[in-house]
Amino acid sequence: EDKVVQSPLSLVVHEGDTVTLNCSYEVTNFRSLLWYKQEKKAPTFLFMLTSSGIEKKSGRLSSILDKKELFSILNITATQTGDSAIYLCAVKTGTASKLTFGTGTRLQVTL
Amino acid sequence: GAVVSQHPSWVICKSGTSVKIECRSLDFQATTMFWYRQFPKQSLMLMATSNEGSKATYEQGVEKDKFLINHASLTLSTLTVTSAHPEDSSFYICSAAHSGGARETQYFGPGTRLLVL
Repeated sequence: EDKVVQSPLSLVVHEGDTVTLNCSYEVTNFRSLLWYKQEKKAPTFLFMLTSSGIEKKSGRLSSILDKKELFSILNITATQTGDSAIYLCAVKTGTASKLTFGTGTRLQVTL
Repeated sequence: GAVVSQHPSWVICKSGTSVKIECRSLDFQATTMFWYRQFPKQSLMLMATSNEGSKATYEQGVEKDKFLINHASLTLSTLTVTSAHPEDSSFYICSAAHSGGARETQYFGPGTRLLVL
């Protein structure tokens, strides 16, 4: 059975802090790893990673994949209260492009 | 990015009734649509994969006769929860994908919150 594990489960930081969210996986037929941000409604896409060692960056967010050690990290620098959300990691597998989600990391950024 | 809509955004119904949820890709043709369910404080669980013009593929443990999926066109998929019961209360989210391949991205709809009384 495919498994995606995220840590920590929840995190409270002060505005301006830097955070690192972790995602490890054990799946068959790996295709790519995706990060999503979920606020009150459905997830919004952040990154898709397919190759090891290549950092993807968007503003204060960045992510990297290690296919040898089977994990990815999502970094957020200079956090803001608007970054408060659940961050979901998902792994795409198989020819049907099925996504298996982790349980998410709930991030709260306080003033 | 691509836009996916869902309707209704929330629904309250009596136990035993059937509820239909629509998922539309507004600005692209989706070869594949996915239906997920999310319980409070839990992650998204894939229920089924729907391809236009063919039968849906259901995940283990999901009853296909209870959760009817129809993918009639490249822009519309529907999920019908038949004879809904309180335990079916959940947040149902669909996603749509452009095309196959490792670089395909799924775009999510805003979700439908179902409460069965």
